[in-house]
Amino acid sequence: QSVLTQPPSVSGAPGQRVTISCTGSSSNIGAGYDVHWYQQLPGTAPKLLIYSNINRPSGVPDRFSGSKSGTSASLAITGLQAEDEADYYCQSYDSSLSGYVFGTGTKVTVV
Amino acid sequence: QVQLVESGGGVVQPGRSLRLSCAASGFTFTNYAMHWVRQAPGKGLEWVAVISYDGNEKNYADSVKGRFTISRDNSKNTLFLQMNSLRREDTAVYYCARDRDTDMVNWGQGTLVTVSS
Repeated sequence: QSVLTQPPSVSGAPGQRVTISCTGSSSNIGAGYDVHWYQQLPGTAPKLLIYSNINRPSGVPDRFSGSKSGTSASLAITGLQAEDEADYYCQSYDSSLSGYVFGTGTKVTVV
Repeated sequence: QVQLVESGGGVVQPGRSLRLSCAASGFTFTNYAMHWVRQAPGKGLEWVAVISYDGNEKNYADSVKGRFTISRDNSKNTLFLQMNSLRREDTAVYYCARDRDTDMVNWGQGTLVTVSS
């Protein structure tokens, strides 16, 4: 059971904007710990997409952006493309668990 | 470029043990903490364990505490996960990942562990 909650799925047409929420609590996101986002394409290992709430690693398109406020964070994908179909996970640290936590995961579908 | 290559997965009976390895290259292994993360078939990611750059600090998820041990050999650029008293619910793909600043910046391709009689 994950302490970070994401919607199971989101969908959008090519070119549209979609957002994925990641809801935590006062022992993780709300405590000030950074949120990171990962993209997992079908059959592959996860890949770091956004780190420290808002930063993109080299090579990640600027269509992907992150934000954080209070006990939640969000990932936005603008100009949705077919290649963005994947599972997306948020991740943070939880002081109550003294460990790292992942979100429940969100499947993005391009319709 | 950074490479992380896991090995040691396979089919094992409940209650038995298995040792996973992760060979690292392309970066200074001794400078970074390392994680194990697993993913059960069709499920989400679950953090398993982390070890500090020098091996002196370790932390585990409650689901594996007391059964799994993370370790590293910095002379061989290799990370390990010793898994004892395996249960069916430990069936998963196990990934090793390099820590940067609480994010997991590089991942291996994973190794599948199946616990079944």
